[in-house]
Amino acid sequence: AQSVSQHNHHVILSEAASLELGCNYSYGGTVNLFWYVQYPGQHLQLLLKYFSGDPLVKGIKGFEAEFIKSKFSFNLRKPSVQWSDTAEYFCAVPRKTGANNLFFGTGTRLTVIP
Amino acid sequence: DGGITQSPKYLFRKEGQNVTLSCEQNLNHDAMYWYRQDPGQGLRLIYYSQIVNDFQKGDIAEGYSVSREKKESFPLTVTSAQKNPTAFYLCASSISGDWDQPQHFGDGTRLSIL
Repeated sequence: AQSVSQHNHHVILSEAASLELGCNYSYGGTVNLFWYVQYPGQHLQLLLKYFSGDPLVKGIKGFEAEFIKSKFSFNLRKPSVQWSDTAEYFCAVPRKTGANNLFFGTGTRLTVIP
Repeated sequence: DGGITQSPKYLFRKEGQNVTLSCEQNLNHDAMYWYRQDPGQGLRLIYYSQIVNDFQKGDIAEGYSVSREKKESFPLTVTSAQKNPTAFYLCASSISGDWDQPQHFGDGTRLSIL
């Protein structure tokens, strides 16, 4: 079964700083990857997803993620964070190819200081 | 508005008592999911259902039970066999069980033991 790991548990940044959150996946054939975000007091929502093609994926609110097969990574990036990006970010992968049975990482809490 | 409704928002359980968490969706989605969210552990899958009258165990199904008698409803029962039920429970749904369909989440139910 596929899985993901997130090593950053809590990241604190000042506004306008650049962001990179790590996500590493275990190889299991065709790779599909997701980033979900949970803003304070809101429900979890999809930020972006990768399934094939261009390894650089653009998501909502200026986020992007790059799929690097050689490094088994799918890191989330944003060039300049805002206070409103304060949230918890989860990387996820289907447990098996083609299924929506997702394995979520442990999450990274991002705090942006104004 | 279409969405997922979880109730109640807060729930208290006495030792040895079974409780049922409600999850209703009006999105006409085939697939539904239950997750448990604990600090530092991310989301862990309890049960999922890809279609009415069918459901599968996730990673931590012990002490939980579900039913899927109607497409729009996927209630979760936390039984007395679940020794550590205090957690935040999230329900989700997706159009189908295919990997590329995003999961839509409810606002969650926080369960505490008295």
